[in-house]
Amino acid sequence: GDSVTQMEGPVTLSEEAFLTINCTYTATGYPSLFWYVQYPGEGLQLLLKATKADDKGSNKGFEATYRKETTSFHLEKGSVQVSDSAVYFCALSSWGKLQFGAGTQVVVTP
Amino acid sequence: GAVVSQHPSRVICKSGTSVKIECRSLDFQATTMFWYRQFPKKSLMLMATSNEGSKATYEQGVEKDKFLINHASLTLSTLTVTSAHPEDSSFYICSAQPLAGGPTDTQYFGPGTRLTVL
Repeated sequence: GDSVTQMEGPVTLSEEAFLTINCTYTATGYPSLFWYVQYPGEGLQLLLKATKADDKGSNKGFEATYRKETTSFHLEKGSVQVSDSAVYFCALSSWGKLQFGAGTQVVVTP
Repeated sequence: GAVVSQHPSRVICKSGTSVKIECRSLDFQATTMFWYRQFPKKSLMLMATSNEGSKATYEQGVEKDKFLINHASLTLSTLTVTSAHPEDSSFYICSAQPLAGGPTDTQYFGPGTRLTVL
């Protein structure tokens, strides 16, 4: 079945460092791909999405490109802030349902 | 906009009792609501999909008689954990898909409910 694998955390970074969270997927067909973010005490929020190969999703300085050839959707941000500390989930949409990765906790220190 | 609430945010109950969790879309109507379960340091696991006015569709391995889902209106879905046991302790999250407008794969998530069964 469809699945999503993302790197384990926690990832600890200093402010203004470069962030990469790896995400790969297995799917039959052509799913849409998502990154969700969960800030402490809050629900999951959609961060960005891409619906087809080579699409780039971007929001709040984060970017991810839908790579069909490597079945990947890695999340990147060039300069993180303390406020980016959260848990990040990679997900794919298959037949109207979301399949999530395990989540990666990111901790940004001043 | 697109706010989803859950109530209660946390609940502690005795083994054998039933617990009801509410999920509401506050500023939009939802054709479909989803219920997830999240284990510590694990991904969200989809439990069931509910459509207003019809029976919920449960994922494989989820006991429909234990996890009762009712989607009585376009803004409210409830999950009742019947005869709860300690192994049902978990974080339950709902999401809602808007009735109209926007991508059909967009889901808005509630903040979750922490259930602890003693």
